Amino acid sequence: NAGVTQTPKFRVLKTGQSMTLLCAQDMNHEYMYWYRQDPGMGLRLIHYSVGEGTTAKGEVPDGYNVSRLKKQNFLLGLESAAPSQTSVYFCASSYPNWDREEAFFGQGTRLTVV
Amino acid sequence: DAKTTQPPSMDCAEGRAANLPCNHSTISGNEYVYWYRQIHSQGPQYIIHGLKNNETNEMASLIITEDRKSSTLILPHATLRDTAVYYCIVRVPNNDMRFGAGTRLTVKP
Repeated sequence: NAGVTQTPKFRVLKTGQSMTLLCAQDMNHEYMYWYRQDPGMGLRLIHYSVGEGTTAKGEVPDGYNVSRLKKQNFLLGLESAAPSQTSVYFCASSYPNWDREEAFFGQGTRLTVV
Repeated sequence: DAKTTQPPSMDCAEGRAANLPCNHSTISGNEYVYWYRQIHSQGPQYIIHGLKNNETNEMASLIITEDRKSSTLILPHATLRDTAVYYCIVRVPNNDMRFGAGTRLTVKP
């Protein structure tokens, strides 16, 4: 049971380049989330999804797009990377059932935009 | 979702109980209280959650006041490996999950 897997673990981008971060979960979870964490700060929610084919904006959605074409995958896209998007990105997934509710997190993707 | 207030940092002696407070004075009736922790730069880890009653699991205990305006996470016998940032979150079902700044707990030998 792999849990939540993020790909890649590290990436360096030049300003203006695009990339996609992949989050995959094998727990049949309905909910998935993307967060960013800047140095010394807490996690901030970028986008989330409550099911296949649905997405919603979080606290800091600007500059990012997401897609949830398959239940097990949640993709985070940066169309034109900026230095302000240098951060550690975490993905998470959870059940919507509140008796079993705990979110599982991936190990993060460290992104540097130069 | 209700906002939470936590002290930015706390120290605890190894082997002693660590009591981490959280204020959530605007919590509504259907909001749960969750605790997560983040060790170094790893992904956050679930600890415990509750609605009204006190809860206990193999990691910790959660004490929620009767008016539900505050709660305390208790690590009964803190170890050096419990050094982490602890996040208190309140949320409603079928909603997103937002983190605050958390409490940085340092367990000292």
